Amino acid sequence: QSALTQPPSASGSPGQSVTISCTGTSSDVGGYDYVSWYQQHPGKAPNLMIYDVSKRPSGVPDRFSGSKSGNTASLTVSGLQADDEADYYCSSYAGGNTVVFGGGTKLTVL
Amino acid sequence: QVQLVQSGAEVKKPGSSMRVSCKTSGGTFNSYSITWVRQAPGQGLEWMGRIIPIVGLTHYAQKFQASVTITADKSTSTVYMELINLRSEDTAVYYCAKTREGYFLDAFDIWGQGTMVTVSS
Repeated sequence: QSALTQPPSASGSPGQSVTISCTGTSSDVGGYDYVSWYQQHPGKAPNLMIYDVSKRPSGVPDRFSGSKSGNTASLTVSGLQADDEADYYCSSYAGGNTVVFGGGTKLTVL
Repeated sequence: QVQLVQSGAEVKKPGSSMRVSCKTSGGTFNSYSITWVRQAPGQGLEWMGRIIPIVGLTHYAQKFQASVTITADKSTSTVYMELINLRSEDTAVYYCAKTREGYFLDAFDIWGQGTMVTVSS
């Protein structure tokens, strides 16, 4: 399976919104509503932010939202805060009891 | 609340094998699956495989079919991941993670702290 495609970097000023894309194929992102997003701060384990395309685990601020159209999923972070600066990874169920991750996007809060 | 605690950092020689453990606590070991994800230095996350402990059923990414074995010890609620024939490219942080709900691979909500494995001669 090939990794999902994410932009290497994204940025925004505090209070602004930023959207990160995650492009796959009809065999993963486009074929299932099982896209999730993870936030990873340096030296830390990933933290689940969005699952099943657009659902938020308890404790995740509603500033984080997810969506999907065709083979591309998106994570939007609104009202950017300094602590949002991190790496973000998408993942998708890819059939056959396998999962594929994206290459990651480094979000910088200017 | 489920917690996952992994074994400590290791340094291995090329061609050798490694085994990382992931001890679970605070939940029902048989009610979820455990997956393994690795992250090479400065690189992204890579899904390796998973186990459903209650039945010992495993699934692996195609890349790791011949080199990774994931097992579970129900008596100690511990999952193991063995990687054989190590190469320098296997230098990475290895994470175990729990599936969010049941056994389906939709998302991973609890992660271990990570285990750094360095492969060097």
